[in-house]
Amino acid sequence: SAVISQKPSRDICQRGTSLTIQCQVDSQVTMMFWYRQQPGQSLTLIATANQGSEATYESGFVIDKFPISRPNLTFSTLTVSNMSPEDSSIYLCSVEDRVNTEAFFGQGTRLTVV
Amino acid sequence: AQSVAQPEDQVNVAEGNPLTVKCTYSVSGNPYLFWYVQYPNRGLQFLLKYITGDNLVKGSYGFEAEFNKSQTSFHLKKPSALVSDSALYFCEGQAGTALIFGKGTTLSVSS
Repeated sequence: SAVISQKPSRDICQRGTSLTIQCQVDSQVTMMFWYRQQPGQSLTLIATANQGSEATYESGFVIDKFPISRPNLTFSTLTVSNMSPEDSSIYLCSVEDRVNTEAFFGQGTRLTVV
Repeated sequence: AQSVAQPEDQVNVAEGNPLTVKCTYSVSGNPYLFWYVQYPNRGLQFLLKYITGDNLVKGSYGFEAEFNKSQTSFHLKKPSALVSDSALYFCEGQAGTALIFGKGTTLSVSS
């Protein structure tokens, strides 16, 4: 199994600023996923982050807005850049354990942009 | 504490047979409930959701789920399973700003 520590758990930010969300995993994992979810909406995949390569972004998400770092197999960050109120959401990281066919989730970051 | 339970780690069905993946919830208020599927090396893919209204919800790939308030369940079903349905399935509950995931159920469909 894997335990993910996601920080911060919540934040209120001014528009135009940036926030970096961190996910630390207690074991080495190949693939990490970043999502966001708004109330009443399903999770939306932002990007897939593999160690040592550029993140792969889903349609509608771009690196300039959501830069991702993946410096090693246990850590990743997602930055929400130049924030607007529309970025208010819950952001979530997840990892996949292909060996045991499991997935694990961070606690989520509740972002409010004012 | 709020929770979402998927009581089965694995479900095995033969192709063409109906399938059920179980989910029960203990979430305050009126929860939003979701089902997702995850294939290897892919992120979660949304299947369906219950917000309000009809208890029977139809979603992608022929899946449906029935919201049962008295049993606090939201089981995922499909009338006729395909081998390509073999994957990992997650149930999620959303209550306010809390996201609560089940631990996942591996569905294996044999030909």
